[in-house]
Amino acid sequence: GAVVSQHPSWVICKSGTSVKIECRSLDFQATTMFWYRQFPKQSLMLMATSNEGSKATYEQGVEKDKFLINHASLTLSTLTVTSAHPEDSSFYICSAATGTENSPLHFGNGTRLTVT
Amino acid sequence: GQNIDQPTEMTATEGAIVQINCTYQTSGFNGLFWYQQHAGEAPTFLSYNVLDGLEEKGRFSSFLSRSKGYSYLLLKELQMKDSASYLCAVLDSNYQLIWGAGTKLIIKP
Repeated sequence: GAVVSQHPSWVICKSGTSVKIECRSLDFQATTMFWYRQFPKQSLMLMATSNEGSKATYEQGVEKDKFLINHASLTLSTLTVTSAHPEDSSFYICSAATGTENSPLHFGNGTRLTVT
Repeated sequence: GQNIDQPTEMTATEGAIVQINCTYQTSGFNGLFWYQQHAGEAPTFLSYNVLDGLEEKGRFSSFLSRSKGYSYLLLKELQMKDSASYLCAVLDSNYQLIWGAGTKLIIKP
C-alpha cells in the first residue's frame, strides 16, 4: 500500500533555532502533500498545501515566513520551522494522496517537536 | 461556516458494538472519510463514502446519508486495540478536507 515516511519522529530544539521535517512518498508520486499540526486532544489543523514545483498555499493564520515549505520533487516535501519558539511545540503530520482528489490521504508517522 | 460534529468521547465494552455518529454542514460534498488515530500516532484511513448507504469492511462499517448530512462508523466485536480517536472528515466542493474534532473511544474489558 501507499507509504509516507516522515522524519524525524521527534526532535527537541532550543528556542531561536530552525528545524527541518521531511516527508517522503515511498512508493508513489505525490503532486500534492499536506502539512498539519495537532495540539493535544485536538483535531488536525491544516497548515498548508504543498504542490510540487510551485509555492505552497498557506491557510489563514499560518505564517509562511515562519513555516517554510519546499516541494522540490514528486516524492519529497519539507517543512522548516524557523526561529522556533516554545509555542511551536506540537505534533506535525504530513500526508499525501495517491491519485485523484477524492482518494484517501496517507499520513506520515508525524514529528513531535519540543522547543525548549 | 463549515462544521462537523461528532461526540467527544464514548465508552464501550470489549466484544460489544458501538456506533460513532458524525453530522456535517459543508460547502458542497465530495465524500466523507473516517480515520482512526491512536494516541501519539498519525491517523490511518478506515473508510470513504460518497454515495448513500452502508459500506462494510470487516468489523468496521460506515454509513452515509447525504440528504441528512449524516454518517456513522459502526465497530463490531470490539477489541481493546480499538481504543483510539476516530476522526470524521468531509471533502468539500473545493476538495478541501474539513476535519471533525474526533471521538475518543474507550474500550473497557
